[in-house]
Amino acid sequence: NAGVMQNPRHLVRRRGQEARLRCSPMKGHSHVYWYRQLPEEGLKFMVYLQKENIIDESGMPKERFSAEFPKEGPSILRIQQVVRGDSAAYFCASSPPMWAAQENEQFFGPGTRLTVL
Amino acid sequence: AQKVTQAQTEISVVEKEDVTLDCVYETRDTTYYLFWYKQPPSGELVFLIRRNSFDEQNEISGRYSWNFQKSTSSFNFTITASQVVDSAVYFCALPNNAGNMLTFGGGTRLMVKP
Repeated sequence: NAGVMQNPRHLVRRRGQEARLRCSPMKGHSHVYWYRQLPEEGLKFMVYLQKENIIDESGMPKERFSAEFPKEGPSILRIQQVVRGDSAAYFCASSPPMWAAQENEQFFGPGTRLTVL
Repeated sequence: AQKVTQAQTEISVVEKEDVTLDCVYETRDTTYYLFWYKQPPSGELVFLIRRNSFDEQNEISGRYSWNFQKSTSSFNFTITASQVVDSAVYFCALPNNAGNMLTFGGGTRLMVKP
């Protein structure tokens, strides 16, 4: 059973470009979470999605950031008009449906490291 | 609001020393879980342990042990006979009651020197 997949692992963008980060949850998992880790800091929650629905986006910056989890395909975290301050590691996690979840477990992907030049 | 504090930002030890990483948390929930993750230099997050608030017994896994004290809201992590491969950043985390958001501490960077 493959784990959570994220691609690309490393992404370099120039200021003003768009960054698209992809996350494929574990098989059978219908819940996806995105976290951001700024350099030398802990992970901060950004958004929680279920298929075709954003459940909690309380950690998302109000502008330039959006996330989706379509019926088919991976979850996408999209950052428009990137700035240097967006440089960070972005982690995706997934979990099974809540009725099947055990002890709030979330399974993390390897992360995407975004560098904005 | 939930909060996790890891007061030690960086610890340096010599191989074979024991080291304890502190974690103090705040939550209004009466039942909850706590997690520890390891982030080696390669950057991925490695799950170490999950404990629930019902069980205050210490947990031991090889050279790793965890001391959960509900009375002081602490969940400390001890590595016995540390090794160079233990060098990493270690995070303590607390989920919200709905389980849809993990609050992470700031992490403790452990450096084990040969």
